[in-house]
Amino acid sequence: QSALTQPPSASGSPGQSVTISCTGTSSDVGGYNYVSWYQQHPGKAPKLMIFEVIKRPSGVPDRFSGSKSGNTASLTVSGLQGEDESDYYCSSYAGSNNLLFGGGTKLTVL
Amino acid sequence: QVQLVESGGGVVQPGRSLRLSCAASGFTFSNYGMHWVRQAPGKGLEWVALIWYDGTDKYYPDSVKGRFTISRDNSKNTLYLQMNSLRAEDTAVYYCARDKGLQYFEWGADYWGQGTLVTVSS
Repeated sequence: QSALTQPPSASGSPGQSVTISCTGTSSDVGGYNYVSWYQQHPGKAPKLMIFEVIKRPSGVPDRFSGSKSGNTASLTVSGLQGEDESDYYCSSYAGSNNLLFGGGTKLTVL
Repeated sequence: QVQLVESGGGVVQPGRSLRLSCAASGFTFSNYGMHWVRQAPGKGLEWVALIWYDGTDKYYPDSVKGRFTISRDNSKNTLYLQMNSLRAEDTAVYYCARDKGLQYFEWGADYWGQGTLVTVSS
C-alpha cells in the first residue's frame, strides 16, 4: 500500500487558521472512519491529536479539529499559536488489519 | 500514569538480528492492542506491526513481513519486536504505541514510548 498524501509544508500567522489535507483512496481514508492525526515536535514521540476523524482526546485544545470528505481527511488548527509549530502526520486504517501513515506536513507559524 | 519504555536498539550489521522490548506500566497491558511504528532519520512514520490484546493475532506490512515478529508477554507487561535479516533501510527510531481501543482496535495510538534507535550498518 502507498502512503497517504500530505502537503510537505503549511504555514499561517498567529491567530489565523490553517488546514492540512490527507488524501488516500476509497480503500483507506474514504472507506473507514479511522483517521487519526499526530503532532510531533523535533526529537519527541508523536502525540495523538485527533482520532476517528473528528474526536479529540482529553487535553487536546479545541482549536484542533478534524473532518473528512470522500477520500480526503483534514486537520484544521484555529487560532494558531507558536507552540503549534510542529510536524503533523495523518494515519488511516486501510483494511485487512493494515495501518497507513501520511508523509507528514511541517507547520510553520510565521 | 501510562508509560512505555523501549529498549534493545543499537548498531547491527546487515543480515543480523535484534530484539526490541517495550515495558508498559500504568495501565492494564493485557487489555490493549499494541503497535510498533518506526521513523527513519528525517523521514515520516511507518507502521511496522500490531498485536491483539491477547496476542492471538499479529499483522505486518509487506515491507517487514517474514522478517519481523511481534509478540507480547502479558504476565510481564512487555511487548517485543524480533527483527531478523536486517537491512540498511530498517535503520530508524522504533516506537511502541498503545492502541486507543479497549480489547479492540480503534486504529489510533494514544500513548507512545520515547523510541529506540536501530542502526543497520556494516
